[in-house]
Amino acid sequence: DSGVTQTPKHLITATGQRVTLRCSPRSGDLSVYWYQQSLDQGLQFLIQYYNGEERAKGNILERFSAQQFPDLHSELNLSSLELGDSALYFCASSEAPSGNTIYFGEGSWLTVV
Amino acid sequence: QQPVQSPQAVILREGEDAVINCSSSKALYSVHWYRQKHGEAPVFLMILLKGGEQKGHDKISASFNEKKQQSSLYLTASQLSYSGTYFCGTVDRGSTLGRLYFGRGTQLTVWP
Repeated sequence: DSGVTQTPKHLITATGQRVTLRCSPRSGDLSVYWYQQSLDQGLQFLIQYYNGEERAKGNILERFSAQQFPDLHSELNLSSLELGDSALYFCASSEAPSGNTIYFGEGSWLTVV
Repeated sequence: QQPVQSPQAVILREGEDAVINCSSSKALYSVHWYRQKHGEAPVFLMILLKGGEQKGHDKISASFNEKKQQSSLYLTASQLSYSGTYFCGTVDRGSTLGRLYFGRGTQLTVWP
C-alpha cells in the first residue's frame, strides 16, 4: 500500500458524460500527479500540482481539468467523454515538487460506453 | 524527454537472468525504476542519483551510466513474481521542473 488513495476504483459511464476522479496523497506529500494509461500504453503524464498550484502540464486534453485543494487532495475532471478516454487513471504523490520518487495510487478504471 | 526502453518484451524461464535497458537523449539527473502488475499500480523499485551508482535488493539491481545517459535493470535468477511491466522514469539534468518522464515499458514474463 503506497498510501495514495484514489476513488472510485471502477467507473462506467456513457459518452458525453462528465466524471470526477479523486485522489488523496500520502501523508506529508505536497505534490500530486495525474497519469493516464490506456490499454498496452505507457504512463502518459497529464498534470502536476504542488501545494495547490499547477506546476506542470503534459498531454492533458482541454476537456480534462484538475485542481488541488487546500487539504492537498486532488480531483481530475473529465468531461464530454469519448470512447477513447477509457483508461486507467493514476494519481501519484511525492514530497517535493521535482526529482523525487513518486508513489502511485491503485488507479481508477474508467470505461466509457 | 521520454526515455527509450529495450527490449519491449522478454520471456524467461524461472531461474534465468534478464537485463532491461533505459536510455535518454538528454543528460540525466536521476533514473527511477518501477514494476507494474497487470491492472495494478506501478510499484517503486529503486532510484539512482549518481553516475556509476548501483543499487539492488533481493535479486533485482540497477546501474546508472551517467556518461552514456542510460541505466540498466538486472533481474537475476528470475522468479515467477518478477513478471510484470517494468518502467524506467528519468529526470533530465538541469530541468527546472524536474519532471519524471516514463519509458513505454518492458513486459517481462517468467514461466515455470
